[in-house]
Order: sequence, then C-alpha cells, then structure tokens
Amino acid sequence: GESVGLHLPTLSVQEGDNSIINCAYSNSASDYFIWYKQESGKGPQFIIDIRSNMDKRQGQRVTVLLNKTVKHLSLQIAATQPGDSAVYFCAESGTSYGKLTFGQGTILTVHP
Amino acid sequence: GAVVSQHPSWVICKSGTSVKIECRSLDFQATTMFWYRQFPKQSLMLMATSNEGSKATYEQGVEKDKFLINHASLTLSTLTVTSAHPEDSSFYICSARTSGAYNEQFFGPGTRLTVL
Repeated sequence: GESVGLHLPTLSVQEGDNSIINCAYSNSASDYFIWYKQESGKGPQFIIDIRSNMDKRQGQRVTVLLNKTVKHLSLQIAATQPGDSAVYFCAESGTSYGKLTFGQGTILTVHP
Repeated sequence: GAVVSQHPSWVICKSGTSVKIECRSLDFQATTMFWYRQFPKQSLMLMATSNEGSKATYEQGVEKDKFLINHASLTLSTLTVTSAHPEDSSFYICSARTSGAYNEQFFGPGTRLTVL
C-alpha cells in the first residue's frame, strides 16, 4: 500500500550545527504534510506543516521543504540544540478526512 | 493551546483481562479522534478513527471486537483492549482534531500497556 518512508534512521550532529532530516512519500495524492517530534515515552509534538501548494515553509529555527516532483519532504533545523534530540516523524494526509500516515522516523542525537 | 490527555499513563495487567484507556480533549471539541499503536523503535500505526456519535472505522488488520472504541462525546473517546495478551503490550496514543480539511491533530501523551 501507500507509505511514507525515511532515508536515514539515525542522525548525529554537534550542537550548533544545522540538521536535515529527509522523508520520501509514495502517495501522489498526498496534499498535506506534517513533521512531528517525539521524545521518549511521550506523544508526538507538532513542529511544522506544509500544504502541497507550497514548496517551502519556515518556522522558528525550522524549515520544511516539499518537492512534489520527486515526492520528497525535508525538515531543516538550524543551530541544533541538545534539546532537539528526539525521534522525528514525517506524516502525510491525502484527504480532508484527516487520517495521517506516518513515516518510519529518524533518531536525531545532538552532542554538546 | 489545544491539550489532549490520556488516562492512565501506564497500566500493567494480567493476560486475559480487559483494559480501558481514556482520551480527552481538554479545551476544544474533537469531532474526530484517532487511536494509534506504537511498538518500541517503530512508527505510529493508525488503529482506528473515531467520530463522535458514530461507529469507529478500523484499519485493515485491526480486530474491532478486540479493540473496542467508544466516542460518546466531543471531548472523550475510550479504547478498551479486551482479553489482553502479551503481544498487545505497546504504547497506545490518541489524537484529536476539530472539523476542517487541514486541522491539526493534537496528540495525547500516550499510555504504556504491559500485559503479563
């Protein structure tokens, strides 16, 4: 079936570096994408979202890029901090029903 | 901001017993609630979608008679794991959203279920 996947399962960076987390999706009908951060033992926390009519959206220290041609989504975190260490999931929705399909997740580890 | 709570945060039960997990939207009305299951080091897998006042819609492979979902009000949905077995041990997470095409889902903190 359709799925959302990630290129890299783990990413280790030094504090202050920029981080890039990637996600590939296969459902061409997807029109809404979200990035979540999940800390150990907690529920996912919304980071940023983007609709398919956009290719870039910026938040505080985070930027999401969407390339619909190659069905690729990325999350950029500027000046990564130890508190950013967590698992990051991309998720997509293809209908107004709101059902989300989650990617596999990337473990981000930030070293002081 | 929108807050979703779950109760209990963790539960340990014996095999064969039933466990009920509550999901509440504390400061908004949730027309739709979703239940997910997450095994260690894996992603969230959607189990079912629950709309207030109607029967839940289950994902393929999820047994509706084993995972009973009730969405009796706009602020409360419950998931009951019936006749729990060790393989049902997992992290159960709910989310809630209001009506609208792109409304954000707000996630609860999760419930850790351990079946002995």
